[in-house]
Amino acid sequence: GAVVSQHPSRVICKSGTSVKIECRSLDFQATTMFWYRQFPKKSLMLMATSNEGSKATYEQGVEKDKFLINHASLTLSTLTVTSAHPEDSSFYICSARKPQGGIATNEKLFFGSGTQLSVL
Amino acid sequence: LAKTTQPISMDSYEGQEVNITCSHNNIATNDYITWYQQFPSQGPRFIIQGYKTKVTNEVASLFIPADRKSSTLSLPRVSLSDTAVYYCLVGALSGGYNKLIFGAGTRLAVHP
Repeated sequence: GAVVSQHPSRVICKSGTSVKIECRSLDFQATTMFWYRQFPKKSLMLMATSNEGSKATYEQGVEKDKFLINHASLTLSTLTVTSAHPEDSSFYICSARKPQGGIATNEKLFFGSGTQLSVL
Repeated sequence: LAKTTQPISMDSYEGQEVNITCSHNNIATNDYITWYQQFPSQGPRFIIQGYKTKVTNEVASLFIPADRKSSTLSLPRVSLSDTAVYYCLVGALSGGYNKLIFGAGTRLAVHP
């Protein structure tokens, strides 16, 4: 399967600081990447859709000024949690859409390993 | 986007076959059915994807009836390492569809 690398895997920061999380597709070009958030024992919640070269599309209730997304290249998307607060502590997961090519095939979504953010 | 319904949890024993059923009554013509596995503190891992009938790969089988309103993930001879959360997703990433929404998932616990 395709490889999506997410870094860092864990970050602890002080309240008020900003944290950047990187998501890279290592062996394919991803025109679209997605960012999810997950609380303990809960399902993944889609935060935003990141399209290369254009502004991200945020889901309802997600603050775009709080969670800055940049998708500057076909292999890299970043999520920056600005002025982080304890309530932003969560597990953040990125995913990349891998084109399958061919006819009548659905594209697949591959996920990074996640980033555990803890804001003190 | 089609909503999915799965059992919240299931228990099994090593060596048994496990079948997890997902209901998706509002599935659209262009939608595919995809199953993911997630371990604690890890990102979901792709298991299998199908559109209709039966799909089999090295780890699982996916059964989809003709009306496509449900699907069943079959895990043959589970082991302790199959303990995880399994998500059924319905949607399409090609064409005009651009996102998949996760449901609650099924927590599978495999016991010795």
